[in-house]
Amino acid sequence: QKEVEQNSGPLSVPEGAIASLNCTYSDRGSQSFFWYRQYSGKSPELIMSIYSNGDKEDGRFTAQLNKASQYVSLLIRDSQPSDSATYLCACPSGSARQLTFGSGTQLTVLP
Amino acid sequence: GAGVSQSPRYKVAKRGQDVALRCDPISGHVSLFWYQQALGQGPEFLTYFQNEAQLDKSGLPSDRFFAERPEGSVSTLKIQRTQKEDSAVYLCASSLGQELNTIYFGEGSWLTVV
Repeated sequence: QKEVEQNSGPLSVPEGAIASLNCTYSDRGSQSFFWYRQYSGKSPELIMSIYSNGDKEDGRFTAQLNKASQYVSLLIRDSQPSDSATYLCACPSGSARQLTFGSGTQLTVLP
Repeated sequence: GAGVSQSPRYKVAKRGQDVALRCDPISGHVSLFWYQQALGQGPEFLTYFQNEAQLDKSGLPSDRFFAERPEGSVSTLKIQRTQKEDSAVYLCASSLGQELNTIYFGEGSWLTVV
C-alpha cells in the first residue's frame, strides 16, 4: 500500500463550485501535510501546509486534517478555470527530509 | 535567475547511453533534493544534499543513478546505461534551511529513453 493515497480523478467541477480533494496517509506519526498544485508541464508549487487537526483557511483554499482518521483534504471555494491543475498531497517520511507524494488528482474547472 | 534552474529541459537518449542532468538551486539554499516523476504519478524522492554532503540517497533506484554536489551549490544527477524505465521528469528542488514548507521546485528535466 502506498503511504499517501489520493482519489486519482479526474475531477470536473463547474466554475464557482466547491472542489473537494482528498488524501489518506498510512503513517500515524506524520505531523505535517502539504498540498501542491502542478500545472501541466510545470513544477509543483506549494499552496497549503497544515500541521494540526482541524481547518486552515487561506483565501479560497481550506485544508482539513483529521489525524484520527489519517485523512487530509483540500477544499477550493468559488473554483476558477485557472484552478485547473493536478493537486498533489504530500507528507514527510523516511529520514523526514523526504516528501512522499500521492499520485495526484487532476482537477478541471469548466467555464 | 531567482528560481531553481535545470538543464537540459528536454533530453532524448538512446538506451544504454549515459546522461547528466544539472540543477542550479536558488542562491544560498543549503538543502537540495532530486525527485523522479513518471507520467501521471506524483514525484518520488531520489536523494537529498545538505550543502555538499549527500545525507540521504535511499530513493536512488539502482547503482546506475549517481548524484553529486561537490561545492554545495550546483548538483548533477547522472544516469548510466539508461533504460526505457528511466523515462521520466527529473525534478530538482532546494530550500534555504531544513523546513519542508519552503521547498522550491525547478521545472524539471524531461528524459525520454528510446
